[in-house]
Amino acid sequence: GQSLEQPSEVTAVEGAIVQINCTYQTSGFYGLSWYQQHDGGAPTFLSYNALDGLEETGRFSSFLSRSDSYGYLLLQELQMKDSASYFCAVRDQAAGNKLTFGGGTRVLVKP
Amino acid sequence: DSGVTQTPKHLITATGQRVTLRCSPRSGDLSVYWYQQSLDQGLQFLIQYYNGEERAKGNILERFSAQQFPDLHSELNLSSLELGDSALYFCASSLFRLAGTGELFFGEGSRLTVL
Repeated sequence: GQSLEQPSEVTAVEGAIVQINCTYQTSGFYGLSWYQQHDGGAPTFLSYNALDGLEETGRFSSFLSRSDSYGYLLLQELQMKDSASYFCAVRDQAAGNKLTFGGGTRVLVKP
Repeated sequence: DSGVTQTPKHLITATGQRVTLRCSPRSGDLSVYWYQQSLDQGLQFLIQYYNGEERAKGNILERFSAQQFPDLHSELNLSSLELGDSALYFCASSLFRLAGTGELFFGEGSRLTVL
């Protein structure tokens, strides 16, 4: 089966940088996705890494190391609106191409 | 707005009852996925349909069933409801079996409360 591990909670102040790590165990790995979910809202797609390296999209960046089965989401210049839960997810061919999500990391941004 | 529509948004019912949740995917999307999210939990994959056919199954209870109709909308049926079934149920869609970027478009969810 697949499993993903990420920290349950991170707290930081406005303007700071937060890194959310995600380690995964799976077979037939295709890529690592990141989603953001505000309380009571729908998950929204942030980024996807299929190859090793860093992908930058504005204040958010995502990194993948396939050899280490590890990735992270980097949130820079934190804003209050970034307070949300962040989920990593793997696309796994062995699981019928479904998207399996980690337990989520709740990020709390303080003034 | 993701373009995925779910109804109802909220539902309160009693144990032992049966409910149906409905999902309309984004226009043109062929795949529909159902996820369950209990309080402060992650997203648990239930089932996926592609163009009317079941494609992947997660830890979906036997009391739950789903289908995708010719017009591509999907319904999730939950029967013999238990207190533990109280959760947010999300529907998501993608164009193909799974978009190359791992991107799913989620609806706003149906919040089910079983009393």
